[in-house]
Amino acid sequence: KAGVTQTPRYLIKTRGQQVTLSCSPISGHRSVSWYQQTPGQGLQFLFEYFSETQRNKGNFPGRFSGRQFSNSRSEMNVSTLELGDSALYLCASTPGQGPTETQYFGPGTRLLVL
Amino acid sequence: DAKTTQPPSMDCAEGRAANLPCNHSTISGNEYVYWYRQIHSQGPQYIIHGLKNNETNEMASLIITEDRKSSTLILPHATLRDTAVYYCIAANNAGKSTFGDGTTLTVKP
Repeated sequence: KAGVTQTPRYLIKTRGQQVTLSCSPISGHRSVSWYQQTPGQGLQFLFEYFSETQRNKGNFPGRFSGRQFSNSRSEMNVSTLELGDSALYLCASTPGQGPTETQYFGPGTRLLVL
Repeated sequence: DAKTTQPPSMDCAEGRAANLPCNHSTISGNEYVYWYRQIHSQGPQYIIHGLKNNETNEMASLIITEDRKSSTLILPHATLRDTAVYYCIAANNAGKSTFGDGTTLTVKP
């Protein structure tokens, strides 16, 4: 099976712009979670989508949003970009929502905001 | 999710066992302990998880204390490729939570 893929891998934006990142989970996986990783804040949970519904959400402002399509692919959007949004954005997929499932992470999208 | 505390860094000699501790004193009865690791610039990789009993797989062993307030991840024969940041998470959702800062393990030749 192919792994989790994320596009684009690298992105440069300027303050005030918006950005959309894409994540394709492993075939058959229905849950996609998004994370932000910065040197100062570590790996922080953004939100989880399962069967096109947001199931859990971390402590991020409303500028961060996401959605999931019927084929389980997910997109994450950040509006009105700030310098502090520069980070590695990771997505992970699991088959469902069971507590013993394994998260499989993609390689990430590295976003630089100038 | 319960808060976890890990030492920021540890060293280990190649070929020796690496023992990485994690404190999760407020863990609740239905929360598992998950371990992931992240090698520089890659996405995190699942290692192992457990609820009450000790667990072992091809990568590592997980020792959970009887009161479940702490655990230790054991890499039995560390190699240079085990150099990574190791994250311990206490949750009941496959670890879909903020990972925290983890422990940077450096395996030295």
